[in-house]
Amino acid sequence: KAGVTQTPRYLIKTRGQQVTLSCSPISGHRSVSWYQQTPGQGLQFLFEYFSETQRNKGNFPGRFSGRQFSNSRSEMNVSTLELGDSALYLCASSADRANTEAFFGQGTRLTVV
Amino acid sequence: GEDVEQSLFLSVREGDSSVINCTYTDSSSTYLYWYKQEPGAGLQLLTYIFSNMDMKQDQRLTVLLNKKDKHLSLRIADTQTGDSAIYFCAPRRAGRRALTFGSGTRLQVQP
Repeated sequence: KAGVTQTPRYLIKTRGQQVTLSCSPISGHRSVSWYQQTPGQGLQFLFEYFSETQRNKGNFPGRFSGRQFSNSRSEMNVSTLELGDSALYLCASSADRANTEAFFGQGTRLTVV
Repeated sequence: GEDVEQSLFLSVREGDSSVINCTYTDSSSTYLYWYKQEPGAGLQLLTYIFSNMDMKQDQRLTVLLNKKDKHLSLRIADTQTGDSAIYFCAPRRAGRRALTFGSGTRLQVQP
């Protein structure tokens, strides 16, 4: 069974641009959560999607958004990029909202210059 | 909000046991997870414990939970060089999907 797949693995963008990151959960999993990891703030929850609906949201500005498709794949978008958005963005997949186990992808390393 | 504290660094010799500690503030945490992160990689789920348990053993890993003191520990028996990584403690509050992560403990295993 394939794990959680995040694309791309690495990305370099310029301040002011926007970026879209993709996450394909484990086959059969319906819940996808996104986290941001930075050296200064550590791992922080961005949002969670289940059945194409955002169920929970962390404390991030509106420039951070996401969506989930009918096949459970999820994308997150960051608009008007700032230098501080440079981070490792991690996606976690769970079978459903009640499931206790969350499995993470390898992450997308975003660098904003 | 939830606060999760971990010591930043632990160094052990190969073959010894490692104990990584974590304290948290939210007494409503239902599941408490341990994740491992190797350089340049994502998070690997190692194990987790439900809040009504005191201990869980899984091969070389033993998780101890003191719910009264809100203290969680991860013991790795016979630590190997491949265990060198950052270990994160992550409680999950009842009714919430989001995990709150500690700052992580960097485990260095010396041959």
